[in-house]
Amino acid sequence: NAGVTQTPKFQVLKTGQSMTLQCAQDMNHNSMYWYRQDPGMGLRLIYYSASEGTTDKGEVPNGYNVSRLNKREFSLRLESAAPSQTSVYFCASSEWGDQDTQYFGPGTRLTVL
Amino acid sequence: LAKTTQPISMDSYEGQEVNITCSHNNIATNDYITWYQQFPSQGPRFIIQGYKTKVTNEVASLFIPADRKSSTLSLPRVSLSDTAVYYCLVGDLVPSGGYNKLIFGAGTRLAVHP
Repeated sequence: NAGVTQTPKFQVLKTGQSMTLQCAQDMNHNSMYWYRQDPGMGLRLIYYSASEGTTDKGEVPNGYNVSRLNKREFSLRLESAAPSQTSVYFCASSEWGDQDTQYFGPGTRLTVL
Repeated sequence: LAKTTQPISMDSYEGQEVNITCSHNNIATNDYITWYQQFPSQGPRFIIQGYKTKVTNEVASLFIPADRKSSTLSLPRVSLSDTAVYYCLVGDLVPSGGYNKLIFGAGTRLAVHP
């Protein structure tokens, strides 16, 4: 099992460009999450999906959209990137009944110039 | 959600036991205590979870006193590879009101020296 995979690993964008970060999990988990982590800080939740077909805002959703494509895949889209969105983005998954045990992907390091 | 407080950083040497204490004075009856480990350039990794008393697995031990207002993560005989950030989180595993947002604070940066 690969666990949680994310693509791409690195990305550089110019201000105003758009892109989609991809995430997939093969653990048959119901719930998936997107976090961002700024240097020297903890993770902040952007969006989550409790189950296939549902998505909800987290702590810092502005400037992002998400799509729960199916049970395996959960994508994060930046419609018009801004330098403030320079960060490392992590995707995670868990069982809904065990939200405290999340499995994280390797992260995508995004730089917006 | 109960707020947690843990030291910003700790230093240790190879072969020593490391104890990281987390304070959570406002922990609720249904809350569990969970610890994650994060290596540089990687996502956090779940290491241990408990409700009360002592929990042990192949990686660490978690000590929780009777009042549950604090917890201590114990790493036996650390090695250089244990250098990481350790996060203490408190939350309800199955919240009745929907998703129980995990709050990752700044964590404790553990540096293990040769």
